[in-house]
Amino acid sequence: NAGVTQTPKFRILKIGQSMTLQCTQDMNHNYMYWYRQDPGMGLKLIYYSVGAGITDKGEVPNGYNVSRSTTEDFPLRLELAAPSQTSVYFCASSQMSGVTIQETQYFGPGTRLLVL
Amino acid sequence: QKEVEQDPGPLSVPEGAIVSLNCTYSNSAFQYFMWYRQYSRKGPELLMYTYSSGNKEDGRFTAQVDKSSKYISLFIRDSQPSDSATYLCAMSWGSNYKLTFGKGTLLTVNP
Repeated sequence: NAGVTQTPKFRILKIGQSMTLQCTQDMNHNYMYWYRQDPGMGLKLIYYSVGAGITDKGEVPNGYNVSRSTTEDFPLRLELAAPSQTSVYFCASSQMSGVTIQETQYFGPGTRLLVL
Repeated sequence: QKEVEQDPGPLSVPEGAIVSLNCTYSNSAFQYFMWYRQYSRKGPELLMYTYSSGNKEDGRFTAQVDKSSKYISLFIRDSQPSDSATYLCAMSWGSNYKLTFGKGTLLTVNP
């Protein structure tokens, strides 16, 4: 069980370039999330998905897009990279059970993105 | 006022000390309270989870929730250098699966 995997580990982008951050989980979780973490600022939710084909915005969605075509994969797309998107990006997954909140969100190792 | 406020630290303690990490919150709807540990350059991992007022123990770790004061704490007994990490509080409510995180407290335990 690899858990949540993310690629790449690190990337440098020029302003205006685009890229896709990959996220895969092998735990058959229905919920998946993308967060960004800026130094000293905690984690901010960008987008989340409650199942294949269903996505919704989080707290800071501007400049990002997502899709969820399979249970396992939840890629995050940056279309026009800006310096403000320099951050560490974490993907997470969890399992919702009935009407109770999941107890655990499992996080990937993160992707460090630098936009110059 | 931010929904979740966390003591910013950093905190530096000698090995064996008792550590207290704290968060306050303003949203009285929060019912589920978690503590995540994040080692440098790694993703957060769940340390403790609780949904009621009172204490919950797990080995050297105790999570405390006081809903009347909107205050949560994580206590680490007999702290070890391996406990050196950033600790993040997180909380949620009802069937809302979105977590609200504190900014994190960097803890260093010196041997």
